[in-house]
Amino acid sequence: DAGVIQSPRHEVTEMGQEVTLRCKPISGHDYLFWYRQTMMRGLELLIYFNNNVPIDDSGMPEDRFSAKMPNASFSTLKIQPSEPRDSAVYFCASSRRGGGDTQYFGPGTRLTVL
Amino acid sequence: KQEVTQIPAALSVPEGENLVLNCSFTDSAIYNLQWFRQDPGKGLTSLLLIQSSQREQTSGRLNASLDKSSGRSTLYIAASQPGDSATYLCAVRPGSGGGADGLTFGKGTHLIIQP
Repeated sequence: DAGVIQSPRHEVTEMGQEVTLRCKPISGHDYLFWYRQTMMRGLELLIYFNNNVPIDDSGMPEDRFSAKMPNASFSTLKIQPSEPRDSAVYFCASSRRGGGDTQYFGPGTRLTVL
Repeated sequence: KQEVTQIPAALSVPEGENLVLNCSFTDSAIYNLQWFRQDPGKGLTSLLLIQSSQREQTSGRLNASLDKSSGRSTLYIAASQPGDSATYLCAVRPGSGGGADGLTFGKGTHLIIQP
């Protein structure tokens, strides 16, 4: 299996622009998670899906952030408009079951907002 | 709100030493605890997962223990090697509903093994 795939790996954009991050989970995994990592706050859960349905989005920082999972093999995290404080590494992870199974992480997207 | 703390934040030891990384969490109602490794510029690699009913897990030179009642876990690395240099993250999964499946992470221990 190719593992969790994220694109792009690096994104540099200017403040106010729309940013879309993409994730392909491991085939057969029912759960998909989006995390954000910064030096100050470490790794934080933003949102997660079960069978393509958003279950908990309490970690999404503001209305500027939105996430979708149109099918079992694809998810997007969108920031509109982007701000410099959104600069971080965004990770996608998937697991076969919610609690008992290991979460497998993608390589991350490093976002820089100028 | 669950908080996870890892001590020390950084550690540098000579090759060959045995070492212990510590993780503590404030809410003992967890479903499981997971240790990850993160290399610079890379994603996270799961090392060990301990269910709340378990006391320890072992994989090669790694041994992780869990004392749920006291809110503590340790990761023991035997005979350390330069290739073990990385940041080690501890994460817990809550034991009840309402976002229960998302992990809460510590900020990690940055480990350097000197050749």
